[in-house]
Amino acid sequence: GENVEQHPSTLSVQEGDSAVIKCTYSDSASNYFPWYKQELGKRPQLIIDIRSNVGEKKDQRIAVTLNKTAKHFSLHITETQPEDSAVYFCAASLPGAGSYQLTFGKGTKLSVIP
Amino acid sequence: DSGVTQTPKHLITATGQRVTLRCSPRSGDLSVYWYQQSLDQGLQFLIQYYNGEERAKGNILERFSAQQFPDLHSELNLSSLELGDSALYFCASSVARRDTQYFGPGTRLTVL
Repeated sequence: GENVEQHPSTLSVQEGDSAVIKCTYSDSASNYFPWYKQELGKRPQLIIDIRSNVGEKKDQRIAVTLNKTAKHFSLHITETQPEDSAVYFCAASLPGAGSYQLTFGKGTKLSVIP
Repeated sequence: DSGVTQTPKHLITATGQRVTLRCSPRSGDLSVYWYQQSLDQGLQFLIQYYNGEERAKGNILERFSAQQFPDLHSELNLSSLELGDSALYFCASSVARRDTQYFGPGTRLTVL
C-alpha cells in the first residue's frame, strides 16, 4: 500500500513569513495529492490539490509543487497570517477501479506568531 | 460548510456497547468514505462505498461494519466497543469520477 511521510511535525513562523511543508510518498502510481487544513476539533478542509500531470499549482497565497521523480510534494504558504495557524495534512491517492482512498501524512502543526 | 452532514456530533458510551454513526453525502456525490482520527494514529481510511457497493477497505476492524443505502446515506456500525475506539470519525464524499473528497464535521466518540 501507499505510505506518506510528512515533515516537519511542528512549524512556527512569524506573521508575514513563508511556511513550507514537505511530503514524500512511496508508490509511484499515486496520481492525486490533496492538502487539508484542520482547525482544532473541526473537519479537514481541502485547501489545494494537484494531480500527477501537473508540476505546480497556485491559489493566492498557497502553492503546491510536485516532483514525481523524487516522489515528493510540498505546500508553500506565503505572507502567513495568524488565521493560517492549524494542522495541515498532505495525502496521496492511488488510482483504482472506483477506489480513491487517501493515505494521509501525520500532519504538521503550523503556528503563526503575530 | 462542505455539504456533508454527520450525526450525532458527540457520542459517549461504555465498553462493550454498539453504536451507529450516520453520514449524508453532498448532493450528487455517489462515493462515501469513512475515516478514523485518533491522536496516535492520525487520519486512517476505514472503508469506501460507491453507489451502494463496497469499493475499498482500509484499516477497518472486524468489529466495525458499514453500509450505504439507496438514498446514498451511509452508516458506520461499531460494536464491542473498546477504550481505544475513542476517536473522531469522519465521513467524506466525492463525485465518483473525481478524487476530491469533502469531509463532514465528524462524530466524536468517547468510550468509557
